Amino acid sequence: DGGITQSPKYLFRKEGQNVTLSCEQNLNHDAMYWYRQDPGQGLRLIYYSQIVNDFQKGDIAEGYSVSREKKESFPLTVTSAQKNPTAFYLCASRRGTSEDEQFFGPGTRLTVL
Amino acid sequence: QQQVKQSPQSLIVQKGGISIINCAYENTAFDYFPWYQQFPGKGPALLIAIRPDVSEKKEGRFTISFNKSAKQFSLHIMDSQPGDSATYFCAASNNQGGKLIFGQGTELSVKP
Repeated sequence: DGGITQSPKYLFRKEGQNVTLSCEQNLNHDAMYWYRQDPGQGLRLIYYSQIVNDFQKGDIAEGYSVSREKKESFPLTVTSAQKNPTAFYLCASRRGTSEDEQFFGPGTRLTVL
Repeated sequence: QQQVKQSPQSLIVQKGGISIINCAYENTAFDYFPWYQQFPGKGPALLIAIRPDVSEKKEGRFTISFNKSAKQFSLHIMDSQPGDSATYFCAASNNQGGKLIFGQGTELSVKP
């Protein structure tokens, strides 16, 4: 089955620790995205990548970092500099610049204790 | 100017009724307006989308109405069912890297 996988589904970390969230897609999509979802606030874009080895900051990139070494993978690291890291994180992908639909993964709920 | 404002925040509809969710935008460069449906603990899924060259698009019980001059668009769910209970997000994009700007979301509850 083609799709986007995010792991783990639930993640707990102590304050001050960096944590990396996994996102893998087998849809052969060029573009990948990371969003953060907080209650009542919709989805906000953290980082996106349109091609391997290239990525751009979204609206709320501070305290986050990404890499795009492979087409199918776009991991997100939540660093200790992120002030309020507890949230639901969603990864998405899109075929290319001419295709508009973004497909979302199931999400990772990160709780920082 | 990049914001998309969505209302209402929550909506309760009786089974068989019509659910209406509204969105407004400022950036006239937006050229793609999707609606996403999200169930608790899941990722959003595309429900229906429209481009500004048409004023209405219908897919089954779901209809998008688009008013370009007013910079508003809305989702109508006809014959609402309990299974439609979910959070709905409108979004907009001007195809710059495919970035979507999302509304705040509407939590819909359809009562049997």
